[in-house]
Amino acid sequence: QKEVEQNSGPLSVPEGAIASLNCTYSDRVSQSFFWYRQYSGKSPELIMSIYSNGDKEDGRFTAQLNKASQYVSLLIRDSQPSDSATYLCAPERGKLIFGQGTELSVKP
Amino acid sequence: KAGVTQTPRYLIKTRGQQVTLSCSPISGHRSVSWYQQTPGQGLQFLFEYFSETQRNKGNFPGRFSGRQFSNSRSEMNVSTLELGDSALYLCASSLSPSGSSGGSEQFFGPGTRLTVL
Repeated sequence: QKEVEQNSGPLSVPEGAIASLNCTYSDRVSQSFFWYRQYSGKSPELIMSIYSNGDKEDGRFTAQLNKASQYVSLLIRDSQPSDSATYLCAPERGKLIFGQGTELSVKP
Repeated sequence: KAGVTQTPRYLIKTRGQQVTLSCSPISGHRSVSWYQQTPGQGLQFLFEYFSETQRNKGNFPGRFSGRQFSNSRSEMNVSTLELGDSALYLCASSLSPSGSSGGSEQFFGPGTRLTVL
């Protein structure tokens, strides 16, 4: 079992829709969780951090964390073509452990 | 505030050579982590430095090494380069080291693209 698994892409949604990105992790030690966005040819950019169970909202982005289920998700509301990128989930356990990423494509 | 800077941005080397990459963290950040990104393996952790001390190391051979200076700038070195070392090497900085109760959000530099021929 991989340490971090993300839903395989590519995920295609129409402009204005909600994009749902999921991530499961294998350990019960991680306490901090991060979502990064990576455009093609660029470096990862931190978009959300979450530390407690429940939801955390920041603009069009909502992160959800359920430590008991070892699950973290990212919802992007009112998706825009500029949101088209690869989204990386990264639990922290003394270091960041990255999933393989989910490629999101938002079609105009 | 200036972001994380990495030099050089691009590098071409041949097998057997060695290479040194440099990273300057965001001002005030004392933790620097290094990652290797390849299409097949994704983003993999190399090591983390905080206050000139290596705090954690990933599962890479001893050919990969690093250090941090008193001004928090960091370098990583790869000796005896192999074709498989071709990758994007990313540096990330944070206020506090991984596992801290706060300030451990990591911000990435633009990366160094290393090609080994």
